[in-house]
Amino acid sequence: LAKTTQPISMDSYEGQEVNITCSHNNIATNDYITWYQQFPSQGPRFIIQGYKTKVTNEVASLFIPADRKSSTLSLPRVSLSDTAVYYCLVVHYGNNRLAFGKGNQVVVIP
Amino acid sequence: DAGVIQSPRHEVTEMGQEVTLRCKPISGHDYLFWYRQTMMRGLELLIYFNNNVPIDDSGMPEDRFSAKMPNASFSTLKIQPSEPRDSAVYFCASSSLAGDVETGELFFGEGSRLTVL
Repeated sequence: LAKTTQPISMDSYEGQEVNITCSHNNIATNDYITWYQQFPSQGPRFIIQGYKTKVTNEVASLFIPADRKSSTLSLPRVSLSDTAVYYCLVVHYGNNRLAFGKGNQVVVIP
Repeated sequence: DAGVIQSPRHEVTEMGQEVTLRCKPISGHDYLFWYRQTMMRGLELLIYFNNNVPIDDSGMPEDRFSAKMPNASFSTLKIQPSEPRDSAVYFCASSSLAGDVETGELFFGEGSRLTVL
């Protein structure tokens, strides 16, 4: 499995756009980049997934450069309720062993 | 759908006692996963099942831990005897063969917080 590297934590002010980066230098051809969000006292939940370029849904956007060795999760205009741990995972197609690690603690400040 | 249901939500026990955590996956999901979360190690995969059969238990820390899935709607994670270092939040997750598992979308329960004194 390709290893991912994320910052441990970051703070942001309410209303700002938050960009969370993830490095995955050893990503393979059949790997997808997947992000999860975990609120306090809850299990993680799937946010978004992409293979290359840009993916957008109602929650976030995911930017993946051409070499796919990194990705950036973008949360537009965060609110206090976006305070959570964000996990970047590399998912090998057909492999169910997802490695979450410690994630990135994002704290939104009023 | 009720989602993945775990019980108990909280358990406090003394060292040496047996602990049993329970999970009901989403109906129709054929993959079930057990994870453990601690501050030190983050979220770790312990074991997962496909169609009630254990596929990968390499994450199970030691023989004190065991997991079973007697049918498609129920799984248990047992710790016997429990130790203080087993204190953690244990999550169960499920997924469907019809695409979710291949794209990495797992559906998690709310977790069971275990404290071993």
